[in-house]
Amino acid sequence: GQQVMQIPQYQHVQEGEDFTTYCNSSTTLSNIQWYKQRPGGHPVFLIQLVKSGEVKKQKRLTFQFGEAKKNSSLHITATQTIDVGTYFCAGQAGGTSYGKLTFGQGTILTVHP
Amino acid sequence: NAGVTQTPKFRVLKTGQSMTLLCAQDMNHEYMYWYRQDPGMGLRLIHYSVGEGTTAKGEVPDGYNVSRLKKQNFLLGLESAAPSQTSVYFCASSYGGWVQPQHFGDGTRLSIL
Repeated sequence: GQQVMQIPQYQHVQEGEDFTTYCNSSTTLSNIQWYKQRPGGHPVFLIQLVKSGEVKKQKRLTFQFGEAKKNSSLHITATQTIDVGTYFCAGQAGGTSYGKLTFGQGTILTVHP
Repeated sequence: NAGVTQTPKFRVLKTGQSMTLLCAQDMNHEYMYWYRQDPGMGLRLIHYSVGEGTTAKGEVPDGYNVSRLKKQNFLLGLESAAPSQTSVYFCASSYGGWVQPQHFGDGTRLSIL
């Protein structure tokens, strides 16, 4: 079945440093979604990427979808303590809009002030 | 609007006991999902429903049953709880299927002794 791998599993940064998490799929994706889960909270939808090579920005967050639609990344510029949490990617298998969404294992981000 | 509401928030069971987790959404969403979250494993899909009266198996369905008798409610049952089912359970819903963002409840933390 479809596998979505996310690295790194953990990332510790000093406040102000940049952070990147990577998501790789074993199969071509029709779209990829990113979610954030604060400690003790529930996943919250951040963004969806659909087009090959697509880049979207939300303030300090930059999301990219690879040209082959098999990988994606989330980059945070100048991290702040409010960025603490687990970031998940979730990919939908390509070829049909009815393919299930598969979540990556998540990257846990801690930010030291 | 409350969004997605899960009850209970916490529960401790003994091995062999049964229980039902309740999920209710007030967004008129067609799709509903049950996930379990374990450390290092991300979110794994247990069962899902594409509409009232329908259910389907996800990635890890064994030991669980579900029912969607009403559009707004999705129930997850554990017939005979096992320690391996100790986890945090999240219910989610989406408007138009896998391509749409999923809205998560606050989760149920379940411990099986």
